[in-house]
Amino acid sequence: ETGVTQSPTHLIKTRGQQVTLRCSSQSGHNTVSWYQQALGQGPQFIFQYYREEENGRGNFPPRFSGLQFPNYSSELNVNALELDDSALYLCASSFRLLGDYGYTFGSGTRLTVV
Amino acid sequence: QKEVEQNSGPLSVPEGAIASLNCTYSDRVSQSFFWYRQYSGKSPELIMSIYSNGDKEDGRFTAQLNKASQYVSLLIRDSQPSDSATYLCAVRFRANNLFFGTGTRLTVIP
Repeated sequence: ETGVTQSPTHLIKTRGQQVTLRCSSQSGHNTVSWYQQALGQGPQFIFQYYREEENGRGNFPPRFSGLQFPNYSSELNVNALELDDSALYLCASSFRLLGDYGYTFGSGTRLTVV
Repeated sequence: QKEVEQNSGPLSVPEGAIASLNCTYSDRVSQSFFWYRQYSGKSPELIMSIYSNGDKEDGRFTAQLNKASQYVSLLIRDSQPSDSATYLCAVRFRANNLFFGTGTRLTVIP
């Protein structure tokens, strides 16, 4: 059984650019959630995907968008990057109907916007 | 208004002591409660979950839940230097996603 994998591990982008982050879910998990964790803060919910459709969204602007593919892998896209987008981006997978088991997080992508 | 609140610390305890971490959550229908441990520069790791009022023990860890007081805590017995990390409290409300607190930084002093 494989865990949740994210790529890349680190990324440096310039303000105004666009970025795509990738996540492969743990085997058998059909739900992917994305979180943003700024330095010294707890993870903030961005959105969740279930069976390729968005299934809930946090307080993030539309320039944060996502996709989930038939194999349950997922992408997070951020357009028009701002300095405040610098953070650790975490992907978590779960069984949607078994949310009580909590999430398995990937190792994260550290994004730095300069 | 924050959904989940934790004392950011830092909390320092001597090796072998009991570390007590606390979390309160807002007045909503809450369903599941989780404690995650996060080492510096790493992603959160699930260590405990609790759903019913009372205590739940797993090795040196005990989670305590009081829904009437909207309070959940984590006790770490016989604290070890390797327990030094940030501990995140997470709550699942009606939706199938988690709300996290800001975390409490714990340092165990040898």
